[in-house]
Amino acid sequence: EVQLVESGGGLVQPGGSLRLSCSASGFTFSNYAMHWVRQAPGKGLEYVSAINSDGGNTYYADSVKDRFTISRDNSKNTLYLQMSSLRPEDTAVYYCVKVRAAAGVYDAFHIWGQGTMVTVSS
Amino acid sequence: DIVMTQSPDSLAVSLGERATINCKSSQSVLYSSINKNYLAWYQQKPGQPPKLLIYWASTRESGVPDRFSGSGSGTDFTLTISSLQAEDVAVYYCQQYYSTLYTFGQGTKLEIK
Repeated sequence: EVQLVESGGGLVQPGGSLRLSCSASGFTFSNYAMHWVRQAPGKGLEYVSAINSDGGNTYYADSVKDRFTISRDNSKNTLYLQMSSLRPEDTAVYYCVKVRAAAGVYDAFHIWGQGTMVTVSS
Repeated sequence: DIVMTQSPDSLAVSLGERATINCKSSQSVLYSSINKNYLAWYQQKPGQPPKLLIYWASTRESGVPDRFSGSGSGTDFTLTISSLQAEDVAVYYCQQYYSTLYTFGQGTKLEIK
């Protein structure tokens, strides 16, 4: 069974940093592009960042560019999101997402983790 | 950025009736050389992560009931639920994956009338 389990969320002060992790199982992690998507409380879905299968290409929403860094360790089947200079508007549930096919980043978002909550507040 | 606009924002339909949700993109998401629309539909129930329903605008994901169908091309798309069931109450999102900014529509809340 394909599983994605996020961790690392919590309460952080504005300007602070946090690293999210997503542990993947049930599929060949190194073959698939991965994404982070967030959802602020009571709001819609917002794409955050993407990374291709070998980690050589990364993509970011304008709202997080230069503050967040996506990475992956294919030997550990783990996806990361390093978040810095956090703002109150970054408060959201952060979902780790696997694409549908082992064919690049231009694909539908197939499997979603349960999410981890990040709260940015003083 | 490609802006995705859904209509309506909310919808109330009687059990067994048809529900239709529209999605319009600010530019075409059709990759004409392979004739594929880079458009997906997701369902999100309260307290759960989104679930992929439809990809390539009209291909139903495995396990999704056949009462769900997607149609459209270019900039205009539709998600149709042919006969609404109680378990279909959810928020529905369209999303383009033509651009690596992967924008979502604002969501349509579907309720039972």
